[in-house]
Amino acid sequence: DAKTTQPNSMESNEEEPVHLPCNHSTISGTDYIHWYRQLPSQGPEYVIHGLTSNVNNRMASLAIAEDRKSSTLILHRATLRDAAVYYCILRPINQGGKLIFGQGTELSVKP
Amino acid sequence: GAVVSQHPSRVICKSGTSVKIECRSLDFQATTMFWYRQFPKQSLMLMATSNEGSKATYEQGVEKDKFLINHASLTLSTLTVTSAHPEDSSFYICSAPPQGSGTEAFFGQGTRLTVV
Repeated sequence: DAKTTQPNSMESNEEEPVHLPCNHSTISGTDYIHWYRQLPSQGPEYVIHGLTSNVNNRMASLAIAEDRKSSTLILHRATLRDAAVYYCILRPINQGGKLIFGQGTELSVKP
Repeated sequence: GAVVSQHPSRVICKSGTSVKIECRSLDFQATTMFWYRQFPKQSLMLMATSNEGSKATYEQGVEKDKFLINHASLTLSTLTVTSAHPEDSSFYICSAPPQGSGTEAFFGQGTRLTVV
């Protein structure tokens, strides 16, 4: 499985945008880029995913580099409830739903 | 979206006893479920894949006789930690793969197991 690299931790102020980076230099053409987050003592939850184009949904935006070797999850206005560990995961098409988690980025949000 | 319900949310058991964790898909049928383990301050580690009607597939290094997985129906998968020891204390999480044409995996709430 292709590997992702994320900073161990990041800090943000409430109501400010947050940019969470992810490097995946060994990504293959059939790998989707997925982001999940895990709030304390809970199971992970889906945030967003993309293949080549930038994506937006109600939770976040995903900016994918033109060469696809990196991506950035953007939270437009961080809230205290966004404090979580954010995981960037590469998932091949037709993998069957198995997700291999890296270390993720622990985001703390200051009021 | 689809809902995966995991029970219990937390359990404390004595060393040497067995504990069963249930994972149910509430509004869909899941032929496959994934089981993860997570130690404090660490990431999720995939333990095994349960398959309805057949044997589970275990990841390398996971003892299949210690972590018994049963996928009895299309809505229920169970993980039994047998002869639990303090080192088995962990956060266990189940997950259902994307349904239909979707791409989102669904996770249970997790079970905090403490073996004393």
